[in-house]
Amino acid sequence: DIQMTQSPSSLSASVGDTVTITCRASQAISNSLAWYQQKPGRAPRLLLYGASRLGNGVPSRFRGSGTGTEYTLTISSLQFEDFATYFCQQYSDSLSWTFGQGTTVDIK
Amino acid sequence: QVQLQESGPGLVKPAQTLSVTCKVSGVFISSGGYFWSWIRQHPDKGLEWIADIYYNGTRKYNPSLKSRLTIDVDTADNQVSLIVKSVTAADTAMYYCASQVRGVFASWGRGTQVIVSS
Repeated sequence: DIQMTQSPSSLSASVGDTVTITCRASQAISNSLAWYQQKPGRAPRLLLYGASRLGNGVPSRFRGSGTGTEYTLTISSLQFEDFATYFCQQYSDSLSWTFGQGTTVDIK
Repeated sequence: QVQLQESGPGLVKPAQTLSVTCKVSGVFISSGGYFWSWIRQHPDKGLEWIADIYYNGTRKYNPSLKSRLTIDVDTADNQVSLIVKSVTAADTAMYYCASQVRGVFASWGRGTQVIVSS
């Protein structure tokens, strides 16, 4: 299995801040990376796929980048509704899709 | 727009069999275009992919769980089911159904909570 490691596991920020979350894969995944947002008591929601492509209806303040084994999710001008947990997921290995452990963004 | 609604037993005793179902609406499973997946979220919030199925019966299982799993599709009722045999406390989780295209989970249901306890 490809292991996905996110950092940090949590961070505190204020409305208007820019935050960055990193996801590292145990081997190169050729941009086959998705990001999901999960709010308490809700199912995850697809934010980005292909490392940088926005999902349906996702605001442009969410930006994904990266290559090889290292990928980042950047949220610019953080809004109140962005306080949530974010997961990365690789889909390079078609035998087993795997997720990062999650990064919780909470209010400072 | 794809909508998914999971249902399950809530509480299962250790060593018994767990069965969960996902009712799909907004699209016919038989139309193709999507795989249908089960993903679970453990109490520590970690996400674990369990299995995929296509309308024609093509299946894929998480290798670490494969020996205990059966995923099926019912195109007449437009639903997907998952069976997990010989459950333990480690199977306690929220079980989600999702539509999947090339490994990306585009739409998710609200989940069904399963607790394994005597």
